Amino acid sequence: DSGVTQTPKHLITATGQRVTLRCSPRSGDLSVYWYQQSLDQGLQFLIQYYNGEERAKGNILERFSAQQFPDLHSELNLSSLELGDSALYFCASSVGGGFQTQYFGPGTRLLVL
Amino acid sequence: SQQGEEDPQALSIQEGENATMNCSYKTSINNLQWYRQNSGRGLVHLILIRSNEREKHSGRLRVTLDTSKKSSSLLITASRAADTASYFCATDARETSGSRLTFGEGTQLTVNP
Repeated sequence: DSGVTQTPKHLITATGQRVTLRCSPRSGDLSVYWYQQSLDQGLQFLIQYYNGEERAKGNILERFSAQQFPDLHSELNLSSLELGDSALYFCASSVGGGFQTQYFGPGTRLLVL
Repeated sequence: SQQGEEDPQALSIQEGENATMNCSYKTSINNLQWYRQNSGRGLVHLILIRSNEREKHSGRLRVTLDTSKKSSSLLITASRAADTASYFCATDARETSGSRLTFGEGTQLTVNP
């Protein structure tokens, strides 16, 4: 158990819909990262937040957005969902702003039908 | 894009044997991290090696890093059936701000009892 929690574990929805994935980092960690794992793209970095502010951005679609709240939990919002958005979404956390061990949560498996 | 490339893509060995996985990358890094993933589950952090380190040990794991060749290797000694999993290397490149892990495609290790 890494100490990073993610909800929900599974999510099934339809194309065009919007979903919110939630992540709570390890106690004391200030950074939250979001990654997407799919069969065709592998593990891809989406975005990093550090103490409430966006710190780094990767291959995140415009239909996706994220935020980190004052209590340091984070949410990833996926809208106008497409079949290709079906994937495993991971949240990770680290103590500082970068170059440290990232501890991953168990992931949210999203299936878009 | 996948910076890290693991080799081999799949490895099957007998319990008690050693398993060696290799990773190559393309850009300058701050550190390189190895993770394990059991089928469709979360990523478990194994070890972090910084760019100024050449070798690191953790239990039955040994990681080496050669920054001149942009490559790393993970050695698992005296393997067990429970080591069966996918193993990923991830590089944390030198960025102007923030941090992101770039993952390879992984090596699927099967340890036969």
